[in-house]
Amino acid sequence: AQSVTQLGSHVSVSEGALVLLRCNYSSSVPPYLFWYVQYPNQGLQLLLKYTTGATLVKGINGFEAEFKKSETSFHLTKPSAHMSDAAEYFCAVSDRGTGRRALTFGSGTRLQVQP
Amino acid sequence: KAGVTQTPRYLIKTRGQQVTLSCSPISGHRSVSWYQQTPGQGLQFLFEYFSETQRNKGNFPGRFSGRQFSNSRSEMNVSTLELGDSALYLCASSLVGSSGSSTDTQYFGPGTRLTVL
Repeated sequence: AQSVTQLGSHVSVSEGALVLLRCNYSSSVPPYLFWYVQYPNQGLQLLLKYTTGATLVKGINGFEAEFKKSETSFHLTKPSAHMSDAAEYFCAVSDRGTGRRALTFGSGTRLQVQP
Repeated sequence: KAGVTQTPRYLIKTRGQQVTLSCSPISGHRSVSWYQQTPGQGLQFLFEYFSETQRNKGNFPGRFSGRQFSNSRSEMNVSTLELGDSALYLCASSLVGSSGSSTDTQYFGPGTRLTVL
């Protein structure tokens, strides 16, 4: 079974600082990879996804992530944090090539942005 | 285009009761998946429906069931509610192409928050 590990349940950065949220997966076959964001009392919104091709993926709101097969990682970054980025972020994977669309999620990282 | 809608948004039930939650996918989306979100277990996949058939199922007891209608709307039912069923239930829809790829983005609704007393 696949698993997703997000290092750090809470991350705090200053406004304008670099945001780095870590995600590692365990799977013998590289899965499809996703990052979602959840604001309080809301559902999940897709930030970006990696399926194939270029390993550096750009998403919405200035976020990007890089797929590194050798490190089984898909870390999320943003060069400069904004107060509006405060939310919970989830890394998720789905099976490659099976048609099974079920997402397996990490435990989430709550991002706090300090003024 | 309207997003995924879920009704009701909030629900309070007592142990032993049953509950039905509803999800309307984005127009044209044929796949609907359900997830349970709790502070202790995080986000867990319940099941997926496509063309009125359950395609995949997560590791949940038989008390959790669902169905999909011909217009792709979906309902999930939980019978004999337990305190541990208190959670945010999220529905997600995706546009499934002819290849049935799992790369299709899942778009989530706002969720139904179920409280079991």
